Amino acid sequence: KNEVEQSPQNLTAQEGEFITINCSYSVGISALHWLQQHPGGGIVSLFMLSSGKKKHGRLIATINIQEKHSSLHITASHPRDSAVYICAVDFGNEKLTFGTGTRLTIIP
Amino acid sequence: EPEVTQTPSHQVTQMGQEVILRCVPISNHLYFYWYRQILGQKVEFLVSFYNNEISEKSEIFDDQFSVERPDGSNFTLKIRSTKLEDSAMYFCASRAPGNTIYFGEGSWLTVV
Repeated sequence: KNEVEQSPQNLTAQEGEFITINCSYSVGISALHWLQQHPGGGIVSLFMLSSGKKKHGRLIATINIQEKHSSLHITASHPRDSAVYICAVDFGNEKLTFGTGTRLTIIP
Repeated sequence: EPEVTQTPSHQVTQMGQEVILRCVPISNHLYFYWYRQILGQKVEFLVSFYNNEISEKSEIFDDQFSVERPDGSNFTLKIRSTKLEDSAMYFCASRAPGNTIYFGEGSWLTVV
């Protein structure tokens, strides 16, 4: 069965801390997406990965295909990073299977 | 930055009424999707659309649901006779040739 697990479900940190959100999945994939959901509900794509590592500003995403695991890191976290971060996986059938999301709160 | 636009942003409807949610995907994209998110739950796949026809649908997407691309630009989701459990945020998405997914801001549907 195609499943996506995220941890933690909730994460509260102080401004400036290094943040890690984890995602694991059950079977081989075509691609993994990291998404950000704003408080108003809109979803923005942050990264799409099929191997290795990508970096955009303070955000870094990595994926280990053998271990079926991906991480999203935020360096020098800021209150404006507060959002729900979602891992979503394409298991090769062109639709996305979503994780439950990680609610991140950064305290000034 | 290209964007997917959805209307309405919020709709309240009576149970049993028909609802049409509209989306304008990004023009050179070929794959279009509808997803939904019930409050407090994860996002779920409803249907994918390619080459002017449904390519896959979930078990949620029963006979009450339909999709159309009536004029080559708009992409609509119709719910024929809404139920209370259809209350959710509905997201339209389109996929770029490089496989990046672009989501609309969502249409929040409340069935009363």
